[in-house]
Amino acid sequence: GESVGLHLPTLSVQEGDNSIINCAYSNSASDYFIWYKQESGKGPQFIIDIRSNMDKRQGQRVTVLLNKTVKHLSLQIAATQPGDSAVYFCAEIWSSNTGKLIFGQGTTLQVKP
Amino acid sequence: DVKVTQSSRYLVKRTGEKVFLECVQDMDHENMFWYRQDPGLGLRLIYFSYDVKMKEKGDIPEGYSVSREKKERFSLILESASTNQTSMYLCASSFGRGTSYEQYFGPGTRLTVT
Repeated sequence: GESVGLHLPTLSVQEGDNSIINCAYSNSASDYFIWYKQESGKGPQFIIDIRSNMDKRQGQRVTVLLNKTVKHLSLQIAATQPGDSAVYFCAEIWSSNTGKLIFGQGTTLQVKP
Repeated sequence: DVKVTQSSRYLVKRTGEKVFLECVQDMDHENMFWYRQDPGLGLRLIYFSYDVKMKEKGDIPEGYSVSREKKERFSLILESASTNQTSMYLCASSFGRGTSYEQYFGPGTRLTVT
């Protein structure tokens, strides 16, 4: 079906630890994925994207891993900081013609000091 | 930097009122989108537009309409507001072509219908 899901609604980590946020997608034909971060009271902000011809992409303190075999996407945040506390959404491209994205329900990351 | 602005951050309307939510982007993007966001339901697409005067229904279009007379502006209209339309409304825009489908979001409008 048309859905993108995240495994856990809430993830709590200690400051300085690494965080891993997971996402399962359903459309095996999807060839583009995005991770967004949404802080309280703000609109979602782009973190990182990845195309299906890649297994891994790294940004600043973040890494996205794509496993097409099991249709799984993950976001890894290194040395998690209090400013990383937010809701994280994964999204997959549904139509490259219109740019329509399908969003998961989101995982709330709580960073404990 | 891409800027997507929404006309109001907070809005309170009465049941039955006609409500207009305005969204403006300054990056000449072809695509524009309206979502609503509710706890536990994530972002749900209401309508989107991939060109001026073009529009397509999203996943939950009932009770809403849209207008795109100019490329930079995309309006969401609640013809007769109801309490179940109380929600956070997010507008986004993206390039029509290219290697990235990143959508740029506005800050959101929190609408309360009483």
